[in-house]
Amino acid sequence: SQQGEEDPQALSIQEGENATMNCSYKTSINNLQWYRQNSGRGLVHLILIRSNEREKHSGRLRVTLDTSKKSSSLLITASRAADTASYFCATDLIQGAQKLVFGQGTRLTINP
Amino acid sequence: NAGVTQTPKFQVLKTGQSMTLQCAQDMNHNSMYWYRQDPGMGLRLIYYSASEGTTDKGEVPNGYNVSRLNKREFSLRLESAAPSQTSVYFCASKGTLGNQPQHFGDGTRLSIL
Repeated sequence: SQQGEEDPQALSIQEGENATMNCSYKTSINNLQWYRQNSGRGLVHLILIRSNEREKHSGRLRVTLDTSKKSSSLLITASRAADTASYFCATDLIQGAQKLVFGQGTRLTINP
Repeated sequence: NAGVTQTPKFQVLKTGQSMTLQCAQDMNHNSMYWYRQDPGMGLRLIYYSASEGTTDKGEVPNGYNVSRLNKREFSLRLESAAPSQTSVYFCASKGTLGNQPQHFGDGTRLSIL
């Protein structure tokens, strides 16, 4: 079964609003990563947060990690139409031999 | 700078046919991966290669074989294609150091009739 579960499965907001996506996982991790996938394309890495970090920023992206709750969130501020994509969390497990386990993704639609 | 290159981009096969999906990376990465992506199921790991000369099974290896031809290239072979293998296949690579992201190709869209 999938290590990561994402919530919501789909999210539709107006341009300029903030978008929040959540990811939960089951076992101990080295790090948690977020990727974006535009329609018909491969995954693009957005941000990596290590297990000993609680929050990380990159431009309009803010990621939090709560290892006690085994959960992470991705916040995209001031959304743009170009942010329309699917977003995936992926966990790098401590026992995972550098393999990633992906969640099912959140489909984000930004309406102009 | 190409990154991870996959060929072909699209392929239609008949049940029972065989084919090889090619992947090459130009980032001098040690680790390479093959995933399949099906609607609503995210990415699932088929096989991976932690370094040149080694390969290991992932979550869904049945019906597939792989070859790590050299450090740059990692191929995925379907010996006898089945309709259940209709999917989008992604190759990825990663450097040796810990806490690094994977880099993905644009995928091969494979249909088995």
